[in-house]
Amino acid sequence: KAGVTQTPRYLIKTRGQQVTLSCSPISGHRSVSWYQQTPGQGLQFLFEYFSETQRNKGNFPGRFSGRQFSNSRSEMNVSTLELGDSALYLCASRGIDNEQFFGPGTRLTVL
Amino acid sequence: GQNIDQPTEMTATEGAIVQINCTYQTSGFNGLFWYQQHAGEAPTFLSYNVLDGLEEKGRFSSFLSRSKGYSYLLLKELQMKDSASYLCAVRGTSGGSYIPTFGRGTSLIVHP
Repeated sequence: KAGVTQTPRYLIKTRGQQVTLSCSPISGHRSVSWYQQTPGQGLQFLFEYFSETQRNKGNFPGRFSGRQFSNSRSEMNVSTLELGDSALYLCASRGIDNEQFFGPGTRLTVL
Repeated sequence: GQNIDQPTEMTATEGAIVQINCTYQTSGFNGLFWYQQHAGEAPTFLSYNVLDGLEEKGRFSSFLSRSKGYSYLLLKELQMKDSASYLCAVRGTSGGSYIPTFGRGTSLIVHP
């Protein structure tokens, strides 16, 4: 069974730009969660989608948004990028139990 | 709010047993998770506890006491490959959502 895939793996943007990250969950998994990981703040929850609906949302500004498609693939968008948005963005999918499988992440650098 | 505390770093010897503690404060407790993260890699799920008691999975066991806001991860028969960061995460409620809050991680160093 293929794991969680994320694209792109690395991304460099400048302040003020926007970015879209993509995540394909494990086949059959309908829940996709997004996280931000930085050395300063650690791992922080962004949001969770289930069957195309945002089910849970963390404490991030509205510049961070996401969506999920009918095939469970998910995208995350960050608008008006700031230097502090430089981080590893992780996506995780979950099946019917509570075991989460993480993708390799997208390393975003904002210059 | 939610708060997670775990030691920053621990060292242990190959073949030994190590216990990594995690204390937490949360609203609307809805489960506690342990993850392993090797440097430069994504986290890997280890365990999930929602009821008090011990959950065993091979060399790894996780314990939860909801009344004490306390959990531990027990690693037996330590191997060099167990050197990694161990993250404790608690799912609680905030603003109508279930949100997992992560500790800063415990860096475990296993030496020969």
